[in-house]
Amino acid sequence: QKEVEQNSGPLSVPEGAIASLNCTYSDRGSQSFFWYRQYSGKSPELIMFIYSNGDKEDGRFTAQLNKASQYVSLLIRDSQPSDSATYLCAVNNGYSSASKIIFGSGTRLSIRP
Amino acid sequence: DVKVTQSSRYLVKRTGEKVFLECVQDMDHENMFWYRQDPGLGLRLIYFSYDVKMKEKGDIPEGYSVSREKKERFSLILESASTNQTSMYLCASRNREGRYEQYFGPGTRLTVT
Repeated sequence: QKEVEQNSGPLSVPEGAIASLNCTYSDRGSQSFFWYRQYSGKSPELIMFIYSNGDKEDGRFTAQLNKASQYVSLLIRDSQPSDSATYLCAVNNGYSSASKIIFGSGTRLSIRP
Repeated sequence: DVKVTQSSRYLVKRTGEKVFLECVQDMDHENMFWYRQDPGLGLRLIYFSYDVKMKEKGDIPEGYSVSREKKERFSLILESASTNQTSMYLCASRNREGRYEQYFGPGTRLTVT
């Protein structure tokens, strides 16, 4: 079982709709959770991070965390064509400086006009 | 804003050459990382460094070495470049304190011919 799992997609969403991206992780000791956006040929860009159960909102983005279910999601409201990218879920497995971020393989999102 | 820079965006080298990839961050981060990213394989950790002069092997260190003589600079060295090292190389940094948000540089697309 992969440590961080995402559906590879592509996920196709009409412009203006809500895009929902999901991620599960295997290490119950995980403490910090991140969402990165990566455009084709570019490097990953950190767009959201969440540490506590519940929702965290930033503009059109909402991250949701459920540690009991080992599940983290990203909602993108009012999807725009510029949101078309690959979204990487990442999980930090501890609090020490030796902890590492484990990345999922990414979900490709396509927003159709 | 965190700024991570990499010495080259594109690089073409010949098989057998020694290749140096440099990464510099301006946020006084203790931790720095080198990844490679290939289609279908996701992000793979090559080496990371907790602090100056400290290094740890990641998941795929074979054929690579690293150097961290100054806090802001982390170099990746391909001792004898091979065609299977053609890839996108990504440097990242993060603070040792806090919640471990990790920030990436723009990447170096290396082609070995």
